[in-house]
Amino acid sequence: GAVVSQHPSWVICKSGTSVKIECRSLDFQATTMFWYRQFPKQSLMLMATSNEGSKATYEQGVEKDKFLINHASLTLSTLTVTSAHPEDSSFYICSARDPSWGQGAEYEQYFGPGTRLTVT
Amino acid sequence: DAKTTQPPSMDCAEGRAANLPCNHSTISGNEYVYWYRQIHSQGPQYIIHGLKNNETNEMASLIITEDRKSSTLILPHATLRDTAVYYCIVRVVQAAGNKLTFGGGTRVLVKP
Repeated sequence: GAVVSQHPSWVICKSGTSVKIECRSLDFQATTMFWYRQFPKQSLMLMATSNEGSKATYEQGVEKDKFLINHASLTLSTLTVTSAHPEDSSFYICSARDPSWGQGAEYEQYFGPGTRLTVT
Repeated sequence: DAKTTQPPSMDCAEGRAANLPCNHSTISGNEYVYWYRQIHSQGPQYIIHGLKNNETNEMASLIITEDRKSSTLILPHATLRDTAVYYCIVRVVQAAGNKLTFGGGTRVLVKP
């Protein structure tokens, strides 16, 4: 299947600093990517939908000024956690939709391996 | 969004079939049933999806009831590597890009 990578796989940063996480689709062009957050022992929560060449669509309750998303190319989306605080410590996962996989509702999403962020 | 209900956890024996149930009684006629799984500290992995008919692939089988209000994911010969959280998701088709909404899932533990 298609491959989605994330970098870094884990990062530790100090409170108040910003952290950038990259999500790449390695063998297909993804016009749409998604960013999720997962706290320990909880399910994935969608944060935002990232569309190439346009502004991201954020889910209710997600601060767009804190979680900056850029989807500058068909294979790369970045999530920047600005002024990170310990409560932002989480597992961040991206996914990318492969438009060649199917039609309409059958579009499959491929997930990255995740990035574990720890804010001290 | 149509919601899904899954048991929070289940154990199964290695080598035996694992049957994972999912209720989606409010599913709409054009919504698909998707199954993903997440092994600890990894991103989710697509397993299978279906609309009305039963489906089978190299990983699993999906049985959807005739009224489409429930489905069962079958892992025919569970291995220890199948230990994971399994998510049953009903697909919402939106212009923004086909979001996947994850519920609590079923934590499956395959025991030797």
